[in-house]
Amino acid sequence: DTEVTQTPKHLVMGMTNKKSLKCEQHMGHRAMYWYKQKAKKPPELMFVYSYEKLSINESVPSRFSPECPNSSLLNLHLHALQPEDSALYLCASSSYAGGQPQHFGDGTRLSIL
Amino acid sequence: GENVEQHPSTLSVQEGDSAVIKCTYSDSASNYFPWYKQELGKGPQLIIDIRSNVGEKKDQRIAVTLNKTAKHFSLHITETQPEDSAVYFCAASNDYKLSFGAGTTVTVRA
Repeated sequence: DTEVTQTPKHLVMGMTNKKSLKCEQHMGHRAMYWYKQKAKKPPELMFVYSYEKLSINESVPSRFSPECPNSSLLNLHLHALQPEDSALYLCASSSYAGGQPQHFGDGTRLSIL
Repeated sequence: GENVEQHPSTLSVQEGDSAVIKCTYSDSASNYFPWYKQELGKGPQLIIDIRSNVGEKKDQRIAVTLNKTAKHFSLHITETQPEDSAVYFCAASNDYKLSFGAGTTVTVRA
C-alpha cells in the first residue's frame, strides 16, 4: 500500500467545471510534488512545494492552481481545462525538496470531456 | 538539462529467466539513480536506488549497477516471476528534479 494517498481515483469533468485533486501523506515529509503522466510516457514534473511554500513551477498553465494547506496536504485546483489535460495526475513526497527518494501516490485519472 | 535514455522499450522474458534494462545519462552532476516499477492503474513504486558513491546494490532478486565513467546504469532482475510484469522507469537526479527514461514494458511469460 502506498503511503501517499490521492483522491479521487477517477475524475471526469467538463471544460467549464471547477474541481480539485487532493493528496495526503503522513510520513513527515516536507516536500510535495505534482506530476502529470500521459499514457505510455514517464511522469512530468509540474510543481514542487517545500515547507508548504511553492518553490518550483515548471511553466504550468494557470488553469492548474496548486495549494498546500499544511505539511501533510497538497491540493491541485482545476479550472477551464482542455481535452489535452486528460492524464494521470500523480502526487509525490520526499523528506525535503531535493531529498530523495520521492514516494508516489497512485494518482487521479482525469478525463476532460 | 539532464537527458536519460532507456533501452529496450519492451522486453519479454520466460518465467525464471533474467531481465536487464539499461539507461544512460548525460549530466555528470547527477548523483542519484532510482528505478520505479509502475503496474497498471498504479503510481510508480520505488524498487531500488543507487547513489553515485556506490557501484552496485542488491535487494533479493533485484540489483542495480552504476558506471559513472561511462554514465550508464542498469537494472537486473533474476528469476523473473509473473508479478514482475510492469513498466519500469529509470531516472537520474542531482536535486529535486527526476529526469526519467522513456520506460520499459516488461512481460514475463508463464
